[in-house]
Amino acid sequence: DSGVTQTPKHLITATGQRVTLRCSPRSGDLSVYWYQQSLDQGLQFLIQYYNGEERAKGNILERFSAQQFPDLHSELNLSSLELGDSALYFCASSVVEGNTGELFFGEGSRLTVL
Amino acid sequence: AQSVTQLGSHVSVSEGALVLLRCNYSSSVPPYLFWYVQYPNQGLQLLLKYTSAATLVKGINGFEAEFKKSETSFHLTKPSAHMSDAAEYFCAVFSSGTYKYIFGTGTRLKVLA
Repeated sequence: DSGVTQTPKHLITATGQRVTLRCSPRSGDLSVYWYQQSLDQGLQFLIQYYNGEERAKGNILERFSAQQFPDLHSELNLSSLELGDSALYFCASSVVEGNTGELFFGEGSRLTVL
Repeated sequence: AQSVTQLGSHVSVSEGALVLLRCNYSSSVPPYLFWYVQYPNQGLQLLLKYTSAATLVKGINGFEAEFKKSETSFHLTKPSAHMSDAAEYFCAVFSSGTYKYIFGTGTRLKVLA
């Protein structure tokens, strides 16, 4: 158990819909990362937050948004869903911003768009 | 920009044989390099990391990796494969300039009985 909790574990929805994925980092970790894992794209970095502020942005679509709340949990919002958004979405946390140490991953949220 | 390239999306070895998973990096500054493992239906977990302290890094489950600056490589090895090593392995680099962890495309290791 990494200590990072992601909900829901599985989600099935239709094209055009909107979903919210939630992540609770390890106790004490201030930094949260979101990744998308799909068969054809591999593990793609989406966005990183540190103590409530956006710190780095990767290949995140405009239809996607995220935030980190004062209690440090984070949410990834995916809207106007397309078939190609079907993927495994991972959240990871680390102790501090720019830490060169370990990322702790949750078990992921598997999104299926029909 | 920093990046990592993993050679071979699929590798098969016999149980007891040497495991060698290849990773090459691109970095204009001394890199921080990692290997992560992902078992089926699980998140990634850290195997080992290189942060310039020693070029030969030992990790969990008998894995180790050697940082070779001249070859810009950070290959992962294990002397004797076990069935439980079957998983997907990811090489990653931490970019101190952008605070991004960049992952390779992964190598799926299959261990044959």
